[in-house]
Amino acid sequence: DIQMTQSPSSLSASVGDRVTITCRASQSITTYLSWYQQKPGKAPKLLIYAASSLQSGVPSRFSGSGSGTDFTLTINSLQPEDFATYYCQQSYSNPITFGQGTRLEIK
Amino acid sequence: EVQLVESGGGLVQPGGSLRLSCAVSGFTFSRYWMSWVRQAPGKGLEWVANIKQDGSEKYYVDSVKGRFTISRDNAKNSLFLEMDSLRAEDTAVFYCARVETHMITIGGLTVDFDYWGQGTLVTVSS
Repeated sequence: DIQMTQSPSSLSASVGDRVTITCRASQSITTYLSWYQQKPGKAPKLLIYAASSLQSGVPSRFSGSGSGTDFTLTINSLQPEDFATYYCQQSYSNPITFGQGTRLEIK
Repeated sequence: EVQLVESGGGLVQPGGSLRLSCAVSGFTFSRYWMSWVRQAPGKGLEWVANIKQDGSEKYYVDSVKGRFTISRDNAKNSLFLEMDSLRAEDTAVFYCARVETHMITIGGLTVDFDYWGQGTLVTVSS
């Protein structure tokens, strides 16, 4: 199975900040990488697919990059509604696996 | 509007069975792969199973193989998860999710979950 490791596990930031979350795969997954946002008590929401493509309706302050084993999710100019938990997910091979999550909190 | 509504969760004893349902609307159900994804309390997301549009292909995470069965009824726009031999570690919120595939530059297809239900809680406890 492909292991997905996110860092950091949690971080604190302020409204207006730029934050970066990293996801590392245990083997190359080319660009079979997606990012999700989840708020407490809610279902996850797809933000980014194919490592860098923005899902329809997602604000442009979200961006993704990377290929192979190392990927990043960047949020520019944090908004209050962005404080949530973020997950990466690989679909290069079954079983589909997620990272453990990164909790983004208000400083 | 795309909607996915899960039902069937509840409290069950270890070794017991439960059948989850997901009623969908707002899109042509028969055109999409579908999935179940679960989340244990306070934990991360875990993909459970996928099923092809016509039900001819099914895939499972190892921890549920032989115990869980995914199925669908395209005439009724419904997805199901039959769960047998339930264990305490199966306690989770179970989400049904629509699978969207995207072509990437080297010709492959990603598997992404673009719409999710609200989830149904399954608690396995004596």
